[in-house]
Amino acid sequence: NAGVTQTPKFQVLKTGQSMTLQCAQDMNHEYMSWYRQDPGMGLRLIHYSVGAGITDQGEVPNGYNVSRSTTEDFPLRLLSAAPSQTSVYFCASSYGGSLLEQYFGPGTRLTVT
Amino acid sequence: QQQVKQSPQSLIVQKGGISIINCAYENTAFDYFPWYQQFPGKGPALLIAIRPDVSEKKEGRFTISFNKSAKQFSLHIMDSQPGDSATYFCAARAAGFNKFYFGSGTKLNVKP
Repeated sequence: NAGVTQTPKFQVLKTGQSMTLQCAQDMNHEYMSWYRQDPGMGLRLIHYSVGAGITDQGEVPNGYNVSRSTTEDFPLRLLSAAPSQTSVYFCASSYGGSLLEQYFGPGTRLTVT
Repeated sequence: QQQVKQSPQSLIVQKGGISIINCAYENTAFDYFPWYQQFPGKGPALLIAIRPDVSEKKEGRFTISFNKSAKQFSLHIMDSQPGDSATYFCAARAAGFNKFYFGSGTKLNVKP
């Protein structure tokens, strides 16, 4: 059981470039979420999904897109990177229903110059 | 505006002492209150959680105290150890959704 995996671990982008952060889980979890972590701000929800084909916005969705075509994968797309998107990104998953424990991946540290 | 307010930002405690971290919220629709522990370079991991129908929950050295009327909850770490040195986040979930709101985090340093 690999749990929640994220790739890449580190990434440097130039302003205006696009990229996709990958997230996969092998626990058959229905719920998956993307967070960004910034100093002094805690974790803020970007987008989340309650199942394949269903996504919704979180607190800070602007500049990011998601899709969920399978239960296992939940990629996060940066459409046109900006320095304000420099952050550590975490993917999390949970069973849903009454089982609310979220399992977090190891994170992707993104720098936009 | 932050939905969950956490304090203090940092905390230094001697080994064997009690660490206390506090959180407050306004939204009465929150129905689940977890605490996460994060070590440098790692993702957060669930430490302990409580629902609002319970005033206290204890797991080993970790206790959550919950005050529904004051809309506050706190984490107590008894007999704090250097291995507890980490960043702690409180969080709250909006009922009926899977949206979690996190506090800003507390960096705990337990001195030997």
